[in-house]
Amino acid sequence: DGGITQSPKYLFRKEGQNVTLSCEQNLNHDAMYWYRQDPGQGLRLIYYSQIVNDFQKGDIAEGYSVSREKKESFPLTVTSAQKNPTAFYLCASSTHTVMNTEAFFGQGTRLTVV
Amino acid sequence: GQQLNQSPQSMFIQEGEDVSMNCTSSSIFNTWLWYKQDPGEGPVLLIALYKAGELTSNGRLTAQFGITRKDSFLNISASIPSDVGIYFCAGRTTYGGATNKLIFGTGTLLAVQP
Repeated sequence: DGGITQSPKYLFRKEGQNVTLSCEQNLNHDAMYWYRQDPGQGLRLIYYSQIVNDFQKGDIAEGYSVSREKKESFPLTVTSAQKNPTAFYLCASSTHTVMNTEAFFGQGTRLTVV
Repeated sequence: GQQLNQSPQSMFIQEGEDVSMNCTSSSIFNTWLWYKQDPGEGPVLLIALYKAGELTSNGRLTAQFGITRKDSFLNISASIPSDVGIYFCAGRTTYGGATNKLIFGTGTLLAVQP
């Protein structure tokens, strides 16, 4: 089945450690995104990539890093520089054209810093 | 970062009632999307709107793209318990060079009492 897969679903990290969240899609989508969701808040854009080997900062990129070496994959690293990393992280993808297109989401990864 | 104004923040209704929620922005959008999110899951796309004035239905759901391109509403008719969740609007703009960048509303929490 075509879709977008995030792993793991739950992740625990000790303070001071970096951790990488996986996002894979087999929809042949060019664009991929990472969002952060906190309780009672909307989705805030961390990073997005419109094409392989290119990505741009979103609204809250500090303390995060990404790579886009393959079209199918857009991993997010939460670094020790992120002051408040506990949150629900959502990855999405969409086709990248000048036409209007929808974004589809993965199931999310809940990161807890202990 | 940019966020859309979504209202109401929460709604508590009886099964069978109709529901209406809306999103407004100071910016013009060329796409409006409506998503539903169940607890601990990623948002699922409900309706996509591409033209000003467009009215689109998906079962008991109806959404409209405002004529000014700065707002959209979602109606749910004859609500049922499984409608419970958080509903998000999202707008896409290609202005300012940020092609395919999605901006999300703050969400409307819907609770339906049987």
